[in-house]
Amino acid sequence: SQTIHQWPATLVQPVGSPLSLECTVEGTSNPNLYWYRQAAGRGLQLLFYSVGIGQISSEVPQNLSASRPQDRQFILSSKKLLLSDSGFYLCAWSPRQEQFFGPGTRLTVL
Amino acid sequence: GQQLNQSPQSMFIQEGEDVSMNCTSSSIFNTWLWYKQEPGEGPVLLIALYKAGELTSNGRLTAQFGITRKDSFLNISASIPSDVGIYFCAGSGKLPLVFGKGTRLSVIA
Repeated sequence: SQTIHQWPATLVQPVGSPLSLECTVEGTSNPNLYWYRQAAGRGLQLLFYSVGIGQISSEVPQNLSASRPQDRQFILSSKKLLLSDSGFYLCAWSPRQEQFFGPGTRLTVL
Repeated sequence: GQQLNQSPQSMFIQEGEDVSMNCTSSSIFNTWLWYKQEPGEGPVLLIALYKAGELTSNGRLTAQFGITRKDSFLNISASIPSDVGIYFCAGSGKLPLVFGKGTRLSVIA
């Protein structure tokens, strides 16, 4: 069966520091991969998605970037965090139309 | 771009009551999905609908794919405290999925 992992689970970072969040999927090949951000009590904001290695589509202009160095690995990065980057970051994978979400990373920027 | 209107935004109900929420769109979708998110966790897929008019149940949950392909509803019967969470609808017409803004459900015991 397929599983999706995210780490770290929680992260507290100072403003201006770099960021690297990792997402990996097991038990499938060539999945579509997604990064979402969710502000407290709010909906899901799609940040990036990828249909293959090295293929990244950005949905929202921001100081974040994404990379897919391997088939089942998706990384979300920033060179300098802003206060507004705080939130709950969710990775998801999909074989077809359905998306399956990871457990999320809670990021607090101070 | 494609947008989904999900209503209501929030609901406070008594335990044992039935719940109904819906999503509408100006665009046609090929697939409708319903998710539940509990605090501090990722959304979990509850029901997937693939054909216009399709009615699907999952325990106390029932969802329907509107015949016009522009809407879907989710019903929860005989609510219990563990039904608390945020319910999201999502529509698939092309990559990526379009999500509604969610319905926050609170159940009063």
